[in-house]
Amino acid sequence: GQNIDQPTEMTATEGAIVQINCTYQTSGFNGLFWYQQHAGEAPTFLSYNVLDGLEEKGRFSSFLSRSKGYSYLLLKELQMKDSASYLCAANTNAGKSTFGDGTTLTVKP
Amino acid sequence: NAGVTQTPKFQVLKTGQSMTLQCAQDMNHEYMSWYRQDPGMGLRLIHYSVGAGITDQGEVPNGYNVSRSTTEDFPLRLLSAAPSQTSVYFCASSLGWTAALNEKLFFGSGTQLSVL
Repeated sequence: GQNIDQPTEMTATEGAIVQINCTYQTSGFNGLFWYQQHAGEAPTFLSYNVLDGLEEKGRFSSFLSRSKGYSYLLLKELQMKDSASYLCAANTNAGKSTFGDGTTLTVKP
Repeated sequence: NAGVTQTPKFQVLKTGQSMTLQCAQDMNHEYMSWYRQDPGMGLRLIHYSVGAGITDQGEVPNGYNVSRSTTEDFPLRLLSAAPSQTSVYFCASSLGWTAALNEKLFFGSGTQLSVL
């Protein structure tokens, strides 16, 4: 079966750095994806990892350790518009994307 | 530049009614899927398709049917609506389902469904 865990809520200050963790147990694992979802909107793609290591895309970075079943999303220089839900999703080679329940990030001034 | 188009945006049904949620994409994506999202929760996979003529069940398929007669369209049918199916439904597509194809999902804008 599939199991994905991430914290329910996090709060951080504008300009700071925040790390959102995700652990997964997935058979046939094929990659770990991060999506951002603002309230009332559809999710949008942020970053993904297939191999171990760090992927950097501007203010956002994502890390993967396949042996530990662990990933994190790092957001730097936080802005108010980064207040959103962040969804961790594990892809399998059978064609399924299984999502965690999401981490609601609140950025305060 | 339409991407993934879902209709309707809002729908209210009575228990026992049937309806079809429409989803179309114009990006020539092989992979399409339907998710439901309940308040405070992540996305749960209902059905998915890796190409025209091929469909498979996700985590929560009961009460829903799909078909994929063309690459572009992937409708979701509710056979006999129940209050437990009240949710937000998202259609999503991607180029493919192997790592080499960078299978990030593109989502439609969602359908808010209420079953009374």
